[in-house]
Order: sequence, then C-alpha cells, then structure tokens
Amino acid sequence: NAGVTQTPKFRVLKTGQSMTLLCAQDMNHEYMYWYRQDPGMGLRLIHYSVGEGTTAKGEVPDGYNVSRLKKQNFLLGLESAAPSQTSVYFCASSYARGGEQYFGPGTRLTVT
Amino acid sequence: GEDVEQSLFLSVREGDSSVINCTYTDSSSTYLYWYKQEPGAGLQLLTYIFSNMDMKQDQRLTVLLNKKDKHLSLRIADTQTGDSAIYFCAESIGNLIFGKGTKLSVKP
Repeated sequence: NAGVTQTPKFRVLKTGQSMTLLCAQDMNHEYMYWYRQDPGMGLRLIHYSVGEGTTAKGEVPDGYNVSRLKKQNFLLGLESAAPSQTSVYFCASSYARGGEQYFGPGTRLTVT
Repeated sequence: GEDVEQSLFLSVREGDSSVINCTYTDSSSTYLYWYKQEPGAGLQLLTYIFSNMDMKQDQRLTVLLNKKDKHLSLRIADTQTGDSAIYFCAESIGNLIFGKGTKLSVKP
C-alpha cells in the first residue's frame, strides 16, 4: 500500500515550457487535491477533484490545468511555465470532503 | 473570510512542553486537524479533534479546542529534537483550510 505517490520528485523548466505532474493513490479515495507550498504562504489549493471525471478550481488555479481520467490518478499541467510557478507541489487525497487528507512527498519545481 | 492563523515560529528546549496555537474563523468546522511536516517531506496527520470535543489526548500530544474563541492548541509534552518540524492546523469547511504553519525548533 504505497498511499499517495508523485512523479517527478524534482524538475527544472525554462520559462514557456510545459510539463505534467502525476499523482497516484491506491486508497480508492474519491477526493484528490493539488496544492502549492511557498515560503511564508502555507499551502494553497490549486485545483481539486470530487471524483473521476470531475475537477474544480481552488484558491490559485490560474496557469494550471488538471485532469482526473482515472479515479486513482490526478494530473496537474503547466502549459506555459512562469518563474512565479517555482514552488513545491503537493498532491493529497481523502475519502470524504473535509476528511483527513493523505499527502504525497511533493514535487520541487524550479522555473528559470 | 476563511483564514486560519498561527504564529510562524516557536523555539523550546528539549524536555520542555511545546504549545502551538491556532485560531480559525468558521464555527461550522466539523473537524480540526494538526499536521506535521518534516524537512523535504509531505504533510503527515498528527491528530484531529471533532468540533463537539474540548480536549483530546494521544500519548505526548494534547489538543485543546475552545469553540467560543475559535482557538485550537497543540501541546507536545517532553519535546524531543525529533519533534522539530513545521506544524499546520487546518479546519474543515468543505475543503481543508490550512494555516501558514508554525516552525518548531527544539534546542538540546
């Protein structure tokens, strides 16, 4: 039982490049979330999903897109990376909305 | 608005008790959580308290909830160097709303 996994762990992008971050969970959770963590800003919710095929915007969705084609996977895409998107990205999942969230180990992204 | 407030830093000596405080804004929160983040890692659930409880104890951890003042605290007894981490409180109002985290430093 791996819990929540994220790939890749580290990535460096040039401004304007695109990439996709993958999150996978093996707990059969309906809810999945993408956060970014920046110094002094805590965790900010980017997008979330309440089930396969559904996504919704969080607090800071601009510049990101997401997809939930399979229940166990939640993808976060950056179409045209900007230096302001340099951050640590965390994926999480939960059985119920407002319930305990299980976090992945994070992806450290640097955009130069 | 939705805002969870925590002090940013706390420094204690090994063996002392640590108390990390948090204020939240929504009285309809059903659960309140404490998460721990060690350097380079994701957040890990430490403990939680249901909104109809005043206190919860779990080994060295004690959570106190004052609903009237919307105040939550986490007490760590006999703090060890391994407790050095960032501690986040979170309230559940639909999604979880996290505070900015309190960095706990434990000095030997």
